[in-house]
Amino acid sequence: EAGVAQSPRYKIIEKRQSVAFWCNPISGHATLYWYQQILGQGPKLLIQFQNNGVVDDSQLPKDRFSAERLKGVDSTLKIQPAKLEDSAVYLCASSLDPLDRGEQYFGPGTRLTVT
Amino acid sequence: KNQVEQSPQSLIILEGKNCTLQCNYTVSPFSNLRWYKQDTGRGPVSLTIMTFSENTKSNGRYTATLDADTKQSSLHITASQLSDSASYICVVTPQTGANNLFFGTGTRLTVIP
Repeated sequence: EAGVAQSPRYKIIEKRQSVAFWCNPISGHATLYWYQQILGQGPKLLIQFQNNGVVDDSQLPKDRFSAERLKGVDSTLKIQPAKLEDSAVYLCASSLDPLDRGEQYFGPGTRLTVT
Repeated sequence: KNQVEQSPQSLIILEGKNCTLQCNYTVSPFSNLRWYKQDTGRGPVSLTIMTFSENTKSNGRYTATLDADTKQSSLHITASQLSDSASYICVVTPQTGANNLFFGTGTRLTVIP
């Protein structure tokens, strides 16, 4: 089966600019996650969707980050305006069932560099 | 304080040698513990998964152990290959509450010829 797809793979922007990332989860996976992984650290959950509803966005910096999952399939994560500390890899993951604890499939990530 | 601590932070070994990576956690109670391999520029890929009642799980040259009493897990890599160069991340899933996973910061393994 096809894996989690993400685009773009790399993005370089200047601070205060806007950027958007796209994720297409594995077909049939109801749960979608966005993680931020800063170099040398483990991934940090930003937001979790169950179908098109938000389950957990407690660690999402809502003043600059937003995410949506229209129609419960693809998702976009936006940063506006970007800061230097937003430089990181943004990972998208999906799982079949949120109760299937831990079985998340990750995409390749989008590496964001803010200059 | 991070609830999942990994050591060492980085490790360099010669090709063909064995190595062991450590994971200490405080997440309790937990549902399962996973080891992920993350190649540079890629997303994490699951290697092993153990429930709280399991002591060991193997996947080819990778063997994970779990001691739920001491809250420690290890990942042993046998006869290392150049392709084993990656970050290895320990991930603990809590038994109840939020669906959040607790990620360690990873061990960066470099295998040299």
